[in-house]
Amino acid sequence: DAGITQSPRHKVTETGTPVTLRCHQTENHRYMYWYRQDPGHGLRLIHYSYGVKDTDKGEVSDGYSVSRSKTEDFLLTLESATSSQTSVYFCAISGLGAGQETQYFGPGTRLLVL
Amino acid sequence: ELKVEQNPLFLSMQEGKNYTIYCNYSTTSDRLYWYRQDPGKSLESLFVLLSNGAVKQEGRLMASLDTKARLSTLHITAAVHDLSATYFCAVDIGYSGGGADGLTFGKGTHLIIQP
Repeated sequence: DAGITQSPRHKVTETGTPVTLRCHQTENHRYMYWYRQDPGHGLRLIHYSYGVKDTDKGEVSDGYSVSRSKTEDFLLTLESATSSQTSVYFCAISGLGAGQETQYFGPGTRLLVL
Repeated sequence: ELKVEQNPLFLSMQEGKNYTIYCNYSTTSDRLYWYRQDPGKSLESLFVLLSNGAVKQEGRLMASLDTKARLSTLHITAAVHDLSATYFCAVDIGYSGGGADGLTFGKGTHLIIQP
């Protein structure tokens, strides 16, 4: 398994509270991604990073921000959590160049916003 | 906007039978991914298809890619119960600098294989 950990694995929070999810990798891969998974929607890209301090928005970025100050860590912040952000959040990583196209997924974080 | 459509979304089949899951996508892409997800688990990479005509096989699963038709298929041969899972296809949104800018996923095919 690719060396990806996510923390916390489960979280319950209240509406309006800021929340930060962490993704940590030990593979030294350049690309990191945050997705959310909801029933009926499959997985949708929130933000991604193509290097330290280099990030860009995905399909569903409203209400989320990210930061990447080190290669190994990619943080996702819900600035003011809402019930619509209740979801399972997956981090993924991939490398650069031929033979490194596979995106590997972390174990996921289940977030419930009350 | 890239759209990825899978069909069927739900499939119940018997052990020993063959079946195919289809994945259509709306814009040009040379990279197509297949994943498996078990209930409550993360996604496991099955195949990455990188060119027109690419075919990959692993055990009872075989995936192919036709970039001109914008179609990928995942074929299951002589299904067994252990293959019960949800299968997703995904397409690169784009790639810059050699890496992927992210994937657009289909909604998934929930596959149940009954003894």
